[in-house]
Amino acid sequence: QLQLQESGPGLVKPSETLSLTCTVSGGSISTHYHWGWIRQPPGKGLEWIGGIHYSGNTYFSSSLKSRVTISVDTSRSHFSLRLTSVTAADTAVYYCARRRNGSGYDWGQGTLVTVSS
Amino acid sequence: DIQMTQSPSTLSASVGDRVTVTCRASQSINNWLAWYQQKPGKAPKLLIYETSTLESGVPSKFSGSGSGTEFTLTISSLQPDDLATYYCQQYNTYPLTFGGGTKVEI
Repeated sequence: QLQLQESGPGLVKPSETLSLTCTVSGGSISTHYHWGWIRQPPGKGLEWIGGIHYSGNTYFSSSLKSRVTISVDTSRSHFSLRLTSVTAADTAVYYCARRRNGSGYDWGQGTLVTVSS
Repeated sequence: DIQMTQSPSTLSASVGDRVTVTCRASQSINNWLAWYQQKPGKAPKLLIYETSTLESGVPSKFSGSGSGTEFTLTISSLQPDDLATYYCQQYNTYPLTFGGGTKVEI
C-alpha cells in the first residue's frame, strides 16, 4: 500500500526558502511514475506546483517556476520541494503526490506551511 | 497554460438526487482528465481518471464522461457521505492544471 508523508517546517519567515520532503513507502520511487507537489491556500482551491518524472525531467507551474526546485533522492526514497523568496501568499497546505502513467494523483495527507515573521 | 473551468461552483441537492458537475478545458486535452473528491480537512482522493475510468474501490455511483474540451462528473444517487468539493484536473499538457472546484452541499 503506497504511503506518502510530507515533512518540513510548519513556519517559514518571509523572504526565506520553504523546504519540504516527501517520504515514499510501500512502493519504489525509482519506477515509472511522476512525483508531484500541489498546494492549497486556506479556504481556496488546488494549485499544481510542479513535478518530476522518473526520467529526471522536471515540470513547473508557470507562475512559480522561477522560485521552485524539485528533486528526487532514490537512495532515501524521498523527493523534495524548495520554494524560494516566500511571502504570505505561499501560506498553504502542501501535498506531495504520485501519478501513475495515464492516471491521476495518489496523495499524501498534506502539511500546513505558514509564512510569517 | 490550459485553463480548466468548473461549473457550478456550489451545488445544493437532496439525498437521492442525480448530480452533474461540468468541467471545460480551454483546449483539447485528449481525455486526459481526472476527478477528485476532497472532504473537509482531508487530502483529495482520486475518483476517476482518463475521463471515465473508475479508480479501484470507488463506488459505481460515480461516473465520468466527455471528450475534447467538455467533461462531466455524475453522482447517480447523492448521499450525505458525498458532501465534498470536487475538482477536475487535466494531465494532457504541462503545466498540469486544476479546475476551481465544485462544492456539493446536501
